[in-house]
Amino acid sequence: EAGVVQSPRYKIIEKKQPVAFWCNPISGHNTLYWYLQNLGQGPELLIRYENEEAVDDSQLPKDRFSAERLKGVDSTLKIQPAELGDSAVYLCASSPRTGYDEQFFGPGTRLTVL
Amino acid sequence: AQSVTQLGSHVSVSEGALVLLRCNYSSSVPPYLFWYVQYPNQGLQLLLKYTSAATLVKGINGFEAEFKKSETSFHLTKPSAHMSDAAEYFCAVTGGGNKLTFGTGTQLKVEL
Repeated sequence: EAGVVQSPRYKIIEKKQPVAFWCNPISGHNTLYWYLQNLGQGPELLIRYENEEAVDDSQLPKDRFSAERLKGVDSTLKIQPAELGDSAVYLCASSPRTGYDEQFFGPGTRLTVL
Repeated sequence: AQSVTQLGSHVSVSEGALVLLRCNYSSSVPPYLFWYVQYPNQGLQLLLKYTSAATLVKGINGFEAEFKKSETSFHLTKPSAHMSDAAEYFCAVTGGGNKLTFGTGTQLKVEL
């Protein structure tokens, strides 16, 4: 079974530029998560989707961050414009259904903003 | 609300020695608890989980953890460390829903 796929793995941009990350969850997983992981810290939830609906986006900085999961499968997280403080690893995870306890993580995208 | 505290951001052990990584939790509801491992430039991999069944939980790679409600702890142990265990370990808690709250992580170093 293929795991959670994320691309790109690494991205270097200059501040004020836009950037987008893509995630393809495990086939059949209805719940998708985007996490932010700063250096030396644990992941922090940005947004959770149940199918195509964002059911928890309370931690997403909506002034510059946006996300979509149009067909309830893959998802895109965007930052526009990027700031120096956005340098971090962006992790995507998925789980089979609401209330299922285990989350399966992708390898992450490491963003560096110069 | 749920939270976890991992004591010790860095732990160093000799190969073959006991590994003990500490995690204390706070939860307003019966918790589900997890340990994840993260190797360099990789995502998180589940080691083991406690979901209100047996209090002693066995995971992959010889790791285990014991849920102690009276101490609000879920410490991770392995009897004999191997070089391949060097990684970062995260404890996480959820109140049974989908929101995982992670600790700040413990970097395990294994020395010859």
